[in-house]
Amino acid sequence: DQQVKQNSPSLSVQEGRISILNCDYTNSMFDYFLWYKKYPAEGPTFLISISSIKDKNEDGRFTVFLNKSAKHLSLHIVPSQPGDSAVYFCAASAGGADGLTFGKGTHLIIQP
Amino acid sequence: SQTIHQWPATLVQPVGSPLSLECTVEGTSNPNLYWYRQAAGRGLQLLFYSVGIGQISSEVPQNLSASRPQDRQFILSSKKLLLSDSGFYLCASRPGAMDTQYFGPGTRLTVL
Repeated sequence: DQQVKQNSPSLSVQEGRISILNCDYTNSMFDYFLWYKKYPAEGPTFLISISSIKDKNEDGRFTVFLNKSAKHLSLHIVPSQPGDSAVYFCAASAGGADGLTFGKGTHLIIQP
Repeated sequence: SQTIHQWPATLVQPVGSPLSLECTVEGTSNPNLYWYRQAAGRGLQLLFYSVGIGQISSEVPQNLSASRPQDRQFILSSKKLLLSDSGFYLCASRPGAMDTQYFGPGTRLTVL
């Protein structure tokens, strides 16, 4: 049973426009959510996170929105740049020392 | 800030051979450490985590084992590799006071 779902395997966005990546979860115990960016053959790079006590967190061009009632979060990138082309993973934590539960990722392609 | 080292970067091993992957962390003390695997086209799957020296928790039954002989060293091992052990292995560290995990560069393992 997949507890974190990223239903779009890929997304193509024009340079300068907004990229919106979506993530859904099923486990009500998740209270901390993260987005990672990953290039091929490299480790994931942490982008931004949000605690369940918030509904929005912003860091430069990246904003994460959390809708707890819908068990949905999204990552907005604006404006999108060519260097943003990568696979983006949504991850969730239920607290404690346990590891993260990851979605399968969305491949974002920024077109010039 | 912490730095995570993994070696080797790539490895090609025959079926039935042993395995030892090493992860070391600099710049932090007493982190929680994690091993993940990313199979082709899949998300990241948690394999093991450790909250301290000699303390290992396994998330899934498998052909692998982990050890933590020192505070900032985490080792992934196998006595006999299977074809299904092929994948991209990632070590992650979570500094004690933080909720975010940070990843190393990964090891690409191919079992032939």
